Amino acid sequence: GEDVEQSLFLSVREGDSSVINCTYTDSSSTYLYWYKQEPGAGLQLLTYIFSNMDMKQDQRLTVLLNKKDKHLSLRIADTQTGDSAIYFCAEGFSGGYNKLIFGAGTRLAVHP
Amino acid sequence: GAVVSQHPSRVICKSGTSVKIECRSLDFQATTMFWYRQFPKKSLMLMATSNEGSKATYEQGVEKDKFLINHASLTLSTLTVTSAHPEDSSFYICSARATSSTDTQYFGPGTRLTVL
Repeated sequence: GEDVEQSLFLSVREGDSSVINCTYTDSSSTYLYWYKQEPGAGLQLLTYIFSNMDMKQDQRLTVLLNKKDKHLSLRIADTQTGDSAIYFCAEGFSGGYNKLIFGAGTRLAVHP
Repeated sequence: GAVVSQHPSRVICKSGTSVKIECRSLDFQATTMFWYRQFPKKSLMLMATSNEGSKATYEQGVEKDKFLINHASLTLSTLTVTSAHPEDSSFYICSARATSSTDTQYFGPGTRLTVL
């Protein structure tokens, strides 16, 4: 079945790195995504990784994918207060279905 | 690029009335749009997949007569909550997949529905 799990809460100090983890069960996904949601807003696509990649770096964001363990992580370097939000990982499936399966979201709190 | 808008952003209605929510892709054509529902402090639940010019595909447990979806053009999909009840109060988010893209979905800002 399809299931995506994330820890619900992470607290970090401003300037430190944040690592948000995600595990999934369905290995047939094509892409894995990270979305950011600020209070009362929709989802902003942060980054995504193709399922046959191990790592993707985009400025302060680093995505690591361990396909064997079905583990995805998002590292935010030099975390700022503006990074405080809920972060959702999601599995994406292609082949005409295009369904996204979301985790429950990790609330990141950045404190001085 | 890849901007998706929703209207209205917030709506309050009386029980028994119907509410229409619009989802527009502003700078791209979207063959497929998706409607999600998000409960407080919970993840997004896919309600239905809407393909331009055809009937929507509903997820298990979602009443198609309750949540009417129309995708009449490549830039517009609408969700109508019919005979709304307080339990329909939620945050409704749409997303759109560009015709030229592979799988990436771009999300709208969401619509907060409150049914009194």
